[in-house]
Amino acid sequence: NAGVTQTPKFQVLKTGQSMTLQCAQDMNHEYMSWYRQDPGMGLRLIHYSVGAGITDQGEVPNGYNVSRSTTEDFPLRLLSAAPSQTSVYFCASSLGAADQPQHFGDGTRLSIL
Amino acid sequence: AQSVAQPEDQVNVAEGNPLTVKCTYSVSGNPYLFWYVQYPNRGLQFLLKYITGDNLVKGSYGFEAEFNKSQTSFHLKKPSALVSDSALYFCAVRVFSGGYNKLIFGAGTRLAVHP
Repeated sequence: NAGVTQTPKFQVLKTGQSMTLQCAQDMNHEYMSWYRQDPGMGLRLIHYSVGAGITDQGEVPNGYNVSRSTTEDFPLRLLSAAPSQTSVYFCASSLGAADQPQHFGDGTRLSIL
Repeated sequence: AQSVAQPEDQVNVAEGNPLTVKCTYSVSGNPYLFWYVQYPNRGLQFLLKYITGDNLVKGSYGFEAEFNKSQTSFHLKKPSALVSDSALYFCAVRVFSGGYNKLIFGAGTRLAVHP
């Protein structure tokens, strides 16, 4: 049972480069979210999706794009990487009801030089 | 503003002693509250939740949490700590914004259990 799978696990980029962080879930969850985790700041919501074709901005969306063409996949794109985007990125999924817990991937550790 | 606060960056406990990790919240309406645990180099794992009903909820690995509406708190507890409980713990609250529900996380509390 794979759950939420994130790739790659580690990545180093140069300032200005672009890349896509992949996230896939096999639980048929409607909700998917991207968070970044920085020391002392908990998890901050970047973008989220409540179903295929529907996405919206979270707390810190600038510099990131998302799309949701299928229920299973929710990629996060960095358009032009900046050192401030150095972080650990987590993808999560859940059923749509508000009382349902989120299931997290193991994260992508991203360094921007 | 809707928020979650974890007032302690770190909690140190001796193995076998009871532990408490504190969480307070500020939301409008009835809160949906969650606790998650994060082990090194892993994603967050769900521990327990409060939606409605009994104020004391039980979760995974022997953890429990007490919901206190008057103090707007949801503290995580365990009667007897294990060294293996050492991890980063996050409190979260579900909020409704823009027609959808989202999770707001506290900054996290690092629990260190010493042998």
